[in-house]
Amino acid sequence: KQEVTQIPAALSVPEGENLVLNCSFTDSAIYNLQWFRQDPGKGLTSLLLIQSSQREQTSGRLNASLDKSSGRSTLYIAASQPGDSATYLCAVKWGSARQLTFGSGTQLTVLP
Amino acid sequence: GAGVSQSPSNKVTEKGKDVELRCDPISGHTALYWYRQRLGQGLEFLIYFQGNSAPDKSGLPSDRFSAERTGGSVSTLTIQRTQQEDSAVYLCASSSPGTGLNQPQHFGDGTRLSIL
Repeated sequence: KQEVTQIPAALSVPEGENLVLNCSFTDSAIYNLQWFRQDPGKGLTSLLLIQSSQREQTSGRLNASLDKSSGRSTLYIAASQPGDSATYLCAVKWGSARQLTFGSGTQLTVLP
Repeated sequence: GAGVSQSPSNKVTEKGKDVELRCDPISGHTALYWYRQRLGQGLEFLIYFQGNSAPDKSGLPSDRFSAERTGGSVSTLTIQRTQQEDSAVYLCASSSPGTGLNQPQHFGDGTRLSIL
């Protein structure tokens, strides 16, 4: 069964700290992997998409890496800010499907 | 440009009533997806459209759920004879044709459905 897991479910850090969010997936035959943030009561905002042929993608203070062989992706957030507080979701598209399969998310709180 | 638009943003209805949820994707996006997010749970895939056809309806939880898309644009998700377990946020996403499947999905803010 194709599944996506995110650990921890919640994380609290002081402002300014660098942090890493983890995502693991079964079945390494992925098409791509997408990281989203979700603010309370809102939809999902796409942060980064990594194609299966790529190792990492960067956008501003965010860097996402992909290691297909180990079934893992990480989202690195540099110099965290209170505005980064949100739930971060990892989603995988496998080659046999069009839809995304989501992890349950990591709820991040950055304390001022 | 405009993002994915969903309406209504909130819907409260009595058990047994029918509801219609609307999604207006980003202009030019040929692929459209519906997902459901129950309280405290992850997102579940419901249905996928490519143009006006729905090649994958595998996620629809029962025959009370149906969806259509017209003109390759607006989509409507209909839930008949609503039950309390249908209470959730219903999210719509769209993606551009691009090359193959490697296009990001862009989400709307969702419709929060509450069944009394």
